[in-house]
Amino acid sequence: QVQLQESGPGLVKPSETLSLTCTVSGGSVSSGSYYWSWIRQPPGKGLEWIGYIYYSGSTNYNPSLKSRVSISVDTSKNQFSLKLSSVTAADTAVYYCARLAATRYYYMDVWGKGTTVTVSS
Amino acid sequence: QSVLTQPPSASGTPGQRVTISCSGSSSNIGSNTVNWYQQLPGTAPKLLIYVNNQRPSGVPDRFSGSKSGTSASLAISGLQSEDEADYYCAAWDDSLNGPVFGGGTKLTVL
Repeated sequence: QVQLQESGPGLVKPSETLSLTCTVSGGSVSSGSYYWSWIRQPPGKGLEWIGYIYYSGSTNYNPSLKSRVSISVDTSKNQFSLKLSSVTAADTAVYYCARLAATRYYYMDVWGKGTTVTVSS
Repeated sequence: QSVLTQPPSASGTPGQRVTISCSGSSSNIGSNTVNWYQQLPGTAPKLLIYVNNQRPSGVPDRFSGSKSGTSASLAISGLQSEDEADYYCAAWDDSLNGPVFGGGTKLTVL
């Protein structure tokens, strides 16, 4: 079955850029039925959608983060990636990648285990 | 401040039936289907209910969902200790062209 795995630095300095990669196994990011998403969860808080990408490269971002976010896809490596610039302590969170089913209905059916990113000097 | 509104907490005793509500607006729940996610302590969210009332393979039929207008509910019957978790509702938002979540409900099994 499809599995997602996040990877990247666990510690990022304030004002720098957070970079994470999600590797997809057991399936293909080139599947036309899905968007590939990033979601985050600050400590003790709820879930926040960051953005998603289609295999073609088209993206959509949460307006609250849009000026700082970039999501890209590498179909040859079956991966998609997140970059969040100018980070502050408020960006400390567990970051999840997820597959977003997007045919007639929308729902995130497969999630990665998450990776903790701390913003601190 | 989450776009969808859930009660922060709920509780019940083993065997009881509990419900968790989720309220939204015409741009999300009012015009799209609702999904529910279960997050056990220290783990990633897991899809529990999709398209209002559908259960993925492996989810017990003790879990059920419903939707009416701009609100939705998750019901858990025959409550078990292993159901103690955070539950999140979510729906597509046409204004955002993306998903929105509720703030989560922490379910305690007494």
